[in-house]
Amino acid sequence: RKEVEQDPGPFNVPEGATVAFNCTYSNSASQSFFWYRQDCRKEPKLLMSVYSSGNEDGRFTAQLNRASQYISLLIRDSKLSDSATYLCVVNRGGNAGKSTFGDGTTLTVKP
Amino acid sequence: GAVVSQHPSWVICKSGTSVKIECRSLDFQATTMFWYRQFPKQSLMLMATSNEGSKATYEQGVEKDKFLINHASLTLSTLTVTSAHPEDSSFYICSARPTGAGGTEAFFGQGTRLTVV
Repeated sequence: RKEVEQDPGPFNVPEGATVAFNCTYSNSASQSFFWYRQDCRKEPKLLMSVYSSGNEDGRFTAQLNRASQYISLLIRDSKLSDSATYLCVVNRGGNAGKSTFGDGTTLTVKP
Repeated sequence: GAVVSQHPSWVICKSGTSVKIECRSLDFQATTMFWYRQFPKQSLMLMATSNEGSKATYEQGVEKDKFLINHASLTLSTLTVTSAHPEDSSFYICSARPTGAGGTEAFFGQGTRLTVV
């Protein structure tokens, strides 16, 4: 079993749709969690951190359930520019904590 | 936000030659940097953890003699792909996390697209 597992996708949605991505992690000692966005042939860029209390940034909402070891990302009112691969990232913490990436979920928003 | 600069952005080399990739943290110090490799339509796979002033820690299955890592200062780590072959063609990305900021995001370099012909 992979340490971080994501919805396989791909997701093809119309503009304006709401889409949700799920992610589970197996290491209960994981300490910090992130969603990154990666555009084709580019480096990953941080989209948002994920907290147990949930956090929202505009159209994006992230949730963490430590008991279920589950992370989610909700995108409302999808835009064409949201088309990208979304990576769930789990960090074991500590100064040199390694990040483990999920395989990513590809989203294509169509007009 | 913090900036990590990776150079070169792309390189084409002949089979059997060596290629050096640099990763610099421009506005913070990083005791530890990470090197990843990404094949098409696959996720980033950690190759090794680069530690300033000491030997790198390699992930299982990554040949340390083929992928030489040097972390000579708190702002620079280099990855040298020795005797490159076509199967080494990939997207190599480094990341760094500011020293003392264990739980925060990692900042990524722009990546280096290596093509071995």
